[in-house]
Amino acid sequence: QKEVEQNSGPLSVPEGAIASLNCTYSDRGSQSFFWYRQYSGKSPELIMSIYSNGDKEDGRFTAQLNKASQYVSLLIRDSQPSDSATYLCAPSAGRASKIIFGSGTRLSIRP
Amino acid sequence: EAGVAQSPRYKIIEKRQSVAFWCNPISGHATLYWYQQILGQGPKLLIQFQNNGVVDDSQLPKDRFSAERLKGVDSTLKIQPAKLEDSAVYLCASSLDLSQPQHFGDGTRLSIL
Repeated sequence: QKEVEQNSGPLSVPEGAIASLNCTYSDRGSQSFFWYRQYSGKSPELIMSIYSNGDKEDGRFTAQLNKASQYVSLLIRDSQPSDSATYLCAPSAGRASKIIFGSGTRLSIRP
Repeated sequence: EAGVAQSPRYKIIEKRQSVAFWCNPISGHATLYWYQQILGQGPKLLIQFQNNGVVDDSQLPKDRFSAERLKGVDSTLKIQPAKLEDSAVYLCASSLDLSQPQHFGDGTRLSIL
């Protein structure tokens, strides 16, 4: 079992719709969860972090965390063509623990 | 705030040659990371420094890869000798402290012929 699992995609979503990206992780000790966006040929950039169960909203982005189910998701509302990228899920077990990156989900927003 | 600086941006070498990459983290960031990212995969951690000490180098192929962070600021990653499978993007990242969000440099794209 991989430490961090994401559907590789591509996930195709119409412009203006909600894109839902999912991630499961194996380490029950994970405390911090990060979502990174990576455009083709570019380096990852942090878009969301979440540390406690529930939802966290930032603009069009909402991160959802369920530690009991070892599941974290990212919702993108009103999807735009500029959201087309690979989204990397990255949990961390806390201080002195490395952040493990998933392989990413490729998202494509179609006009 | 200046971001993470990496050089060179691109490097092409032949197998069995050596290569070195340089990284200057964001000022004040204690933790520095080197990642290898192969096309279609997520970044794989090679080595993690806290100031000038190594926290994790469990996935660093130590027979050919080496890294140092003298004085706890900038860092170099070296490959000697290079193999074909080392073709990848090498990313440097830094964070304020361990397990804090990381900020990435633009990366070095390495091609091995």
